[in-house]
Amino acid sequence: ETGVTQSPTHLIKTRGQQVTLRCSSQSGHNTVSWYQQALGQGPQFIFQYYREEENGRGNFPPRFSGLQFPNYSSELNVNALELDDSALYLCALWTGLSGYTFGSGTRLTVV
Amino acid sequence: RKEVEQDPGPFNVPEGATVAFNCTYSNSASQSFFWYRQDCRKEPKLLMSVYSSGNEDGRFTAQLNRASQYISLLIRDSKLSDSATYLCAPNTGNQFYFGTGTSLTVIP
Repeated sequence: ETGVTQSPTHLIKTRGQQVTLRCSSQSGHNTVSWYQQALGQGPQFIFQYYREEENGRGNFPPRFSGLQFPNYSSELNVNALELDDSALYLCALWTGLSGYTFGSGTRLTVV
Repeated sequence: RKEVEQDPGPFNVPEGATVAFNCTYSNSASQSFFWYRQDCRKEPKLLMSVYSSGNEDGRFTAQLNRASQYISLLIRDSKLSDSATYLCAPNTGNQFYFGTGTSLTVIP
């Protein structure tokens, strides 16, 4: 039990649709990062939020967007879904010396 | 050049063997480094953090070479339960760029 909760755990969407993935924790963490992990690959950095502001972004198009709320929960939104967006999406909370603690992820399938 | 490069393996080793993985990184501003293990279809879990030249935790030793920009992970006396993918993550401004990971299978 990591204390980081992601929902939903699994999701099937149709190409062109929009999806919202959610992340929360039992204790407040002001820095959250989102990662996309395709099968057989390492996690790819999407973006990071610190105190409700995006302060870092990987090589992902603008249709990937996010939010962080005052209670430090977070959302990842993906518009105009493509087949290649099928992946495991991981939320990670920064815990300082112990690095990032990951949620168990949302497995998204785009058909 | 990729931010982080790892030999994907797979490494297949017998129980009790010693195995080492290397990870090279491109951003010289990276201040700290983390090794994660990831089991199949699970999230990455922290194995070890490195803030200076290295770190040791039981059978696991990580060594950092800043001049050559690589970090290694050594596993001694391999156990069946060590079978997993090992991910290297240099930390730059609290942003992690992971390698593809190295797959390890420990064989009875």
